[in-house]
Amino acid sequence: DAKTTQPTSMDCAEGRAANLPCNHSTISGNEYVYWYRQIHSQGPQYIIHGLKNNETNEMASLIITEDRKSSTLILPHATLRDTAVYYCIVYGSSNTGKLIFGQGTTLQVKP
Amino acid sequence: NAGVTQTPKFRILKIGQSMTLQCAQDMNHNYMYWYRQDPGMGLKLIYYSVGAGITDKGEVPNGYNVSRSTTEDFPLRLELAAPSQTSVYFCASSPGGGRLTDTQYFGPGTRLTVL
Repeated sequence: DAKTTQPTSMDCAEGRAANLPCNHSTISGNEYVYWYRQIHSQGPQYIIHGLKNNETNEMASLIITEDRKSSTLILPHATLRDTAVYYCIVYGSSNTGKLIFGQGTTLQVKP
Repeated sequence: NAGVTQTPKFRILKIGQSMTLQCAQDMNHNYMYWYRQDPGMGLKLIYYSVGAGITDKGEVPNGYNVSRSTTEDFPLRLELAAPSQTSVYFCASSPGGGRLTDTQYFGPGTRLTVL
C-alpha cells in the first residue's frame, strides 16, 4: 500500500485559504488520492478525491502534481468549523475498500 | 436517509464482560467496515465485509468477531473485554463492488471504556 506523509499540524487565519500538503511518492498509476477530515472525534467525513487532474467541489480543491508524487488540499476560505484533523489517503481498487489512516494534519483555524 | 447509525454511543464494561456494538446502514452499500481509534491516533481497521455472508480481518482483529447476515447490518462482538480495547469504534460503509473509486461513509462512533 502506498504511504503518505503529512505535516503534524498547521494554523490558518479565519477567512484565508488553508493549503494542506501531502507527499505520496510511491503512489501507483491506478491509485487515487483521497482526503477525509475528522472534526473533534466525530466520524471521518469525505472531502474530495482525484487521480491526476485537479479537482474542485463545494468543500475544497485538490491539486495533484504532474508526477503525482504530492498533492495539496485547498480550503479556499477557512472558517472556525474547518478546525479538524485532515487525512490524506492513497486508495486503489485492489485495496478492497480498505483505507490506511496515518496521523493526519491537525488544522487549527484561528479568529 | 439516516446513513450509518451506531449504538450505543457510550458504554463502560468491566474486564471479562462481552458486548455487541451495533451498526446499520440504509444506503444499500455492499461494503462495511469496523475501525477503532485510540487517543491521538489514526483509525485502524478491525474487520470488513464485502457483502452479506462475507467477512475478513483487517489490521487489528484480535479480540473481536463479526458477522454479516444482511446487507444493512454489521455487528461487532467483543468477547472477554480487556483494558486494551478501550477506544472509539467507528463503523463505515461504501458502495464497493470493485469500483476504481470508493467513498466511505462513517457513523458517529461508540466510545467504549473497559475498567
